[in-house]
Amino acid sequence: AQSVSQHNHHVILSEAASLELGCNYSYGGTVNLFWYVQYPGQHLQLLLKYFSGDPLVKGIKGFEAEFIKSKFSFNLRKPSVQWSDTAEYFCAASSGGGADGLTFGKGTHLIIQP
Amino acid sequence: DGGITQSPKYLFRKEGQNVTLSCEQNLNHDAMYWYRQDPGQGLRLIYYSQIVNDFQKGDIAEGYSVSREKKESFPLTVTSAQKNPTAFYLCASSLRGGAYEQYFGPGTRLTVT
Repeated sequence: AQSVSQHNHHVILSEAASLELGCNYSYGGTVNLFWYVQYPGQHLQLLLKYFSGDPLVKGIKGFEAEFIKSKFSFNLRKPSVQWSDTAEYFCAASSGGGADGLTFGKGTHLIIQP
Repeated sequence: DGGITQSPKYLFRKEGQNVTLSCEQNLNHDAMYWYRQDPGQGLRLIYYSQIVNDFQKGDIAEGYSVSREKKESFPLTVTSAQKNPTAFYLCASSLRGGAYEQYFGPGTRLTVT
Protein backbone atom coordinates (compact mmCIF):
# COMPACT_ATOMS: atom_id res chain seq x y z
CA ALA A 1 0.00 0.00 0.00
CA GLN A 2 1.08 3.55 -0.65
CA SER A 3 2.27 5.42 2.40
CA VAL A 4 4.12 8.52 3.52
CA SER A 5 5.91 8.77 6.84
CA GLN A 6 7.27 11.81 8.63
CA HIS A 7 9.87 11.14 11.26
CA ASN A 8 9.30 14.00 13.64
CA HIS A 9 5.88 14.90 15.00
CA HIS A 10 7.04 17.86 17.07
CA VAL A 11 10.12 19.98 16.52
CA ILE A 12 11.19 23.01 18.54
CA LEU A 13 13.97 25.25 17.25
CA SER A 14 15.37 28.65 18.00
CA GLU A 15 15.35 31.41 15.41
CA ALA A 16 18.24 31.22 12.93
CA ALA A 17 18.67 27.49 13.47
CA SER A 18 18.78 25.19 10.46
CA LEU A 19 15.82 22.94 9.76
CA GLU A 20 15.49 19.52 8.24
CA LEU A 21 12.21 17.60 8.35
CA GLY A 22 12.29 14.00 7.24
CA CYS A 23 9.85 12.37 4.83
CA ASN A 24 9.91 8.87 3.40
CA TYR A 25 7.44 7.38 0.96
CA SER A 26 6.45 3.94 -0.17
CA TYR A 27 5.10 3.95 -3.71
CA GLY A 28 5.39 1.64 -6.67
CA GLY A 29 6.37 3.27 -9.93
CA THR A 30 6.86 6.97 -10.45
CA VAL A 31 5.83 9.38 -7.74
CA ASN A 32 5.00 13.05 -7.34
CA LEU A 33 6.06 14.61 -4.04
CA PHE A 34 4.86 17.68 -2.20
CA TRP A 35 5.39 19.63 0.97
CA TYR A 36 2.41 21.60 2.27
CA VAL A 37 2.32 24.02 5.19
CA GLN A 38 -0.57 24.99 7.44
CA TYR A 39 0.06 28.24 9.34
CA PRO A 40 -2.16 28.83 12.38
CA GLY A 41 -5.62 29.82 11.20
CA GLN A 42 -4.74 29.66 7.51
CA HIS A 43 -5.40 27.41 4.54
CA LEU A 44 -3.12 24.54 3.72
CA GLN A 45 -0.74 25.86 1.07
CA LEU A 46 1.94 24.39 -1.15
CA LEU A 47 5.59 24.97 -0.21
CA LEU A 48 7.16 23.03 -3.06
CA LYS A 49 6.70 20.05 -5.34
CA TYR A 50 8.72 17.50 -7.27
CA PHE A 51 7.46 15.83 -10.42
CA SER A 52 10.62 15.09 -12.40
CA GLY A 53 13.98 16.59 -13.35
CA ASP A 54 16.35 18.27 -10.90
CA PRO A 55 15.99 16.41 -7.60
CA LEU A 56 16.72 19.57 -5.61
CA VAL A 57 13.62 21.72 -5.67
CA LYS A 58 13.21 25.19 -4.27
CA GLY A 59 9.96 26.51 -2.90
CA ILE A 60 8.55 29.59 -1.29
CA LYS A 61 9.95 31.36 1.76
CA GLY A 62 13.45 29.91 1.39
CA PHE A 63 12.47 26.25 1.70
CA GLU A 64 13.99 23.51 -0.41
CA ALA A 65 13.73 19.73 -0.61
CA GLU A 66 15.82 16.98 -2.12
CA PHE A 67 14.38 13.90 -3.79
CA ILE A 68 16.65 10.91 -3.16
CA LYS A 69 15.19 8.00 -5.08
CA SER A 70 17.52 5.39 -3.59
CA LYS A 71 16.40 6.33 -0.11
CA PHE A 72 12.73 6.94 -0.96
CA SER A 73 13.11 10.28 0.76
CA PHE A 74 12.05 13.88 0.22
CA ASN A 75 13.37 15.87 3.16
CA LEU A 76 12.50 19.51 3.65
CA ARG A 77 15.24 21.99 4.56
CA LYS A 78 15.71 25.62 5.43
CA PRO A 79 19.10 27.05 6.41
CA SER A 80 17.80 29.63 8.88
CA VAL A 81 14.30 29.54 10.34
CA GLN A 82 12.23 32.49 11.50
CA TRP A 83 9.55 32.78 14.13
CA SER A 84 6.99 33.07 11.31
CA ASP A 85 7.85 29.52 10.19
CA THR A 86 5.90 28.17 13.15
CA ALA A 87 3.32 25.89 11.51
CA GLU A 88 2.27 22.33 10.72
CA TYR A 89 4.18 20.78 7.82
CA PHE A 90 2.88 17.91 5.74
CA CYS A 91 4.67 15.73 3.25
CA ALA A 92 2.43 14.21 0.56
CA ALA A 93 2.71 11.98 -2.48
CA SER A 94 0.70 10.87 -5.47
CA SER A 95 1.34 8.27 -8.13
CA GLY A 96 3.15 9.60 -11.18
CA GLY A 97 0.57 9.16 -13.86
CA GLY A 98 -2.48 8.47 -11.82
CA ALA A 99 -5.44 10.66 -11.17
CA ASP A 100 -6.06 9.79 -7.55
CA GLY A 101 -5.65 12.05 -4.56
CA LEU A 102 -2.71 12.69 -2.29
CA THR A 103 -1.41 10.44 0.45
CA PHE A 104 -0.26 12.56 3.38
CA GLY A 105 2.14 11.98 6.21
CA LYS A 106 0.90 12.65 9.72
CA GLY A 107 2.52 16.05 9.86
CA THR A 108 5.25 17.79 11.85
CA HIS A 109 4.34 20.57 14.25
CA LEU A 110 7.21 23.05 14.12
CA ILE A 111 7.61 25.69 16.82
CA ILE A 112 10.22 28.42 16.43
CA GLN A 113 11.19 30.16 19.61
CA PRO A 114 12.27 33.80 19.32
CA ASP B 1 -11.04 36.39 -6.14
CA GLY B 2 -10.38 32.87 -7.40
CA GLY B 3 -10.41 30.11 -4.85
CA ILE B 4 -12.23 27.44 -2.94
CA THR B 5 -14.97 28.19 -0.48
CA GLN B 6 -16.30 25.85 2.14
CA SER B 7 -19.31 26.50 4.27
CA PRO B 8 -20.03 26.66 7.05
CA LYS B 9 -16.80 27.08 8.99
CA TYR B 10 -18.25 25.32 12.05
CA LEU B 11 -21.07 22.80 12.04
CA PHE B 12 -22.76 21.04 14.92
CA ARG B 13 -25.06 18.04 14.58
CA LYS B 14 -26.71 15.45 16.72
CA GLU B 15 -25.72 11.83 16.36
CA GLY B 16 -27.87 10.00 13.83
CA GLN B 17 -28.36 12.97 11.52
CA ASN B 18 -26.94 13.26 8.03
CA VAL B 19 -25.12 16.51 7.27
CA THR B 20 -23.89 17.99 3.99
CA LEU B 21 -20.73 20.06 3.71
CA SER B 22 -20.44 22.51 0.86
CA CYS B 23 -17.43 23.00 -1.41
CA GLU B 24 -17.35 25.43 -4.33
CA GLN B 25 -14.44 26.43 -6.58
CA ASN B 26 -14.17 29.10 -9.26
CA LEU B 27 -10.74 28.05 -10.52
CA ASN B 28 -12.18 26.10 -13.46
CA HIS B 29 -10.49 22.98 -12.14
CA ASP B 30 -11.57 19.55 -13.35
CA ALA B 31 -10.59 17.56 -10.25
CA MET B 32 -11.91 17.96 -6.72
CA TYR B 33 -11.17 16.13 -3.49
CA TRP B 34 -12.38 15.69 0.06
CA TYR B 35 -9.99 15.00 2.94
CA ARG B 36 -10.50 14.48 6.61
CA GLN B 37 -7.96 15.84 9.12
CA ASP B 38 -7.70 14.48 12.65
CA PRO B 39 -5.09 15.56 15.22
CA GLY B 40 -1.87 13.60 14.73
CA GLN B 41 -3.29 11.76 11.70
CA GLY B 42 -2.51 14.04 8.82
CA LEU B 43 -5.06 14.24 6.01
CA ARG B 44 -6.86 11.18 4.68
CA LEU B 45 -8.64 11.02 1.34
CA ILE B 46 -12.40 10.42 1.47
CA TYR B 47 -13.56 10.87 -2.14
CA TYR B 48 -12.27 12.43 -5.31
CA SER B 49 -13.71 13.42 -8.65
CA GLN B 50 -11.77 13.92 -11.87
CA ILE B 51 -14.70 15.15 -13.92
CA VAL B 52 -18.37 16.05 -13.67
CA ASN B 53 -20.69 13.12 -12.96
CA ASP B 54 -17.82 10.87 -11.94
CA PHE B 55 -16.21 10.23 -8.55
CA GLN B 56 -14.11 7.59 -6.84
CA LYS B 57 -13.77 6.33 -3.29
CA GLY B 58 -10.65 7.26 -1.40
CA ASP B 59 -9.06 5.53 1.55
CA ILE B 60 -11.84 6.18 4.08
CA ALA B 61 -15.08 6.47 2.09
CA GLU B 62 -17.28 4.40 4.41
CA GLY B 63 -20.08 6.50 5.90
CA TYR B 64 -19.68 9.32 3.35
CA SER B 65 -21.29 10.14 0.03
CA VAL B 66 -20.64 12.78 -2.64
CA SER B 67 -22.07 14.12 -5.87
CA ARG B 68 -20.53 16.05 -8.75
CA GLU B 69 -23.35 17.49 -10.81
CA LYS B 70 -21.51 20.72 -11.61
CA LYS B 71 -17.85 21.37 -12.31
CA GLU B 72 -17.57 23.98 -9.56
CA SER B 73 -19.35 22.06 -6.80
CA PHE B 74 -18.49 18.88 -4.87
CA PRO B 75 -20.67 18.51 -1.74
CA LEU B 76 -19.88 15.88 0.87
CA THR B 77 -22.57 14.19 2.95
CA VAL B 78 -21.58 12.71 6.27
CA THR B 79 -24.14 10.02 6.96
CA SER B 80 -25.25 8.51 10.23
CA ALA B 81 -23.26 5.40 9.25
CA GLN B 82 -19.97 7.24 9.80
CA LYS B 83 -18.83 6.05 13.21
CA ASN B 84 -16.52 8.93 14.10
CA PRO B 85 -17.75 11.96 12.14
CA THR B 86 -16.28 14.69 14.38
CA ALA B 87 -13.31 16.05 12.43
CA PHE B 88 -11.95 18.86 10.30
CA TYR B 89 -12.96 18.43 6.64
CA LEU B 90 -10.91 19.93 3.82
CA CYS B 91 -11.92 20.28 0.20
CA ALA B 92 -9.32 20.68 -2.54
CA SER B 93 -9.19 21.06 -6.30
CA SER B 94 -6.60 20.73 -9.04
CA LEU B 95 -6.49 21.56 -12.72
CA ARG B 96 -6.46 17.85 -13.53
CA GLY B 97 -6.01 14.73 -11.49
CA GLY B 98 -2.55 13.30 -10.85
CA ALA B 99 0.57 15.43 -11.20
CA TYR B 100 -0.99 18.79 -10.50
CA GLU B 101 -0.90 20.95 -7.42
CA GLN B 102 -3.98 20.77 -5.21
CA TYR B 103 -5.44 23.96 -3.80
CA PHE B 104 -7.21 23.73 -0.47
CA GLY B 105 -10.22 25.46 1.01
CA PRO B 106 -10.42 26.83 4.57
CA GLY B 107 -12.13 23.72 5.92
CA THR B 108 -15.26 22.91 7.92
CA ARG B 109 -15.02 21.73 11.50
CA LEU B 110 -17.85 19.27 12.16
CA THR B 111 -18.80 18.33 15.69
CA VAL B 112 -21.30 15.54 16.27
CA THR B 113 -22.64 14.95 19.77
